[in-house]
Amino acid sequence: NAGVMQNPRHLVRRRGQEARLRCSPMKGHSHVYWYRQLPEEGLKFMVYLQKENIIDESGMPKERFSAEFPKEGPSILRIQQVVRGDSAAYFCASSFSIQETQYFGPGTRLLVL
Amino acid sequence: DQQVKQNSPSLSVQEGRISILNCDYTNSMFDYFLWYKKYPAEGPTFLISISSIKDKNEDGRFTVFLNKSAKHLSLHIVPSQPGDSAVYFCAARRRIQGAQKLVFGQGTRLTINP
Repeated sequence: NAGVMQNPRHLVRRRGQEARLRCSPMKGHSHVYWYRQLPEEGLKFMVYLQKENIIDESGMPKERFSAEFPKEGPSILRIQQVVRGDSAAYFCASSFSIQETQYFGPGTRLLVL
Repeated sequence: DQQVKQNSPSLSVQEGRISILNCDYTNSMFDYFLWYKKYPAEGPTFLISISSIKDKNEDGRFTVFLNKSAKHLSLHIVPSQPGDSAVYFCAARRRIQGAQKLVFGQGTRLTINP
């Protein structure tokens, strides 16, 4: 049973470019969560999605960030016009239901030059 | 507003002894507490959890204690092994209107010395 998959594992972008981070949840999981970890800090919640729906995006910056979880395919976290402050590790987690434990992927490390 | 705090950034313990990691929280609405372990360049791995209606949960070498009146929880690892060296995150779950959200502490780096 494969775990949560994220790709790419490392992503380098120049300021102003777009970053697209992908997350495939565990098999059977329909709840996806994105977290960001800045250096020397804990993980901060960004957004919670179910298939085709954004349920809670209270942790998402208001501009440049968007997320989707289409009916088919992985969840995508998209960052437009990246800035140096976007450099962080982005983790995706999934759960079977709203009551169940969240399991994390290996993360995507974004570096903005 | 740091709702979940791990006040010790690091902890060093001798192999075979007990490791105790602490976590404090401020929000009474959290219904579940979890501990995750994280190695460098990997994602957090779920270790153990406890419901807010319990005060203890044990799984092998890992035991989590919850003191609701003090808004404090701790993770005990005994006996500690070299493979336990990692960063440990305490997380608290809040459910709001059909959604669940985890709030993480800053992490404690545990080093087990041989």
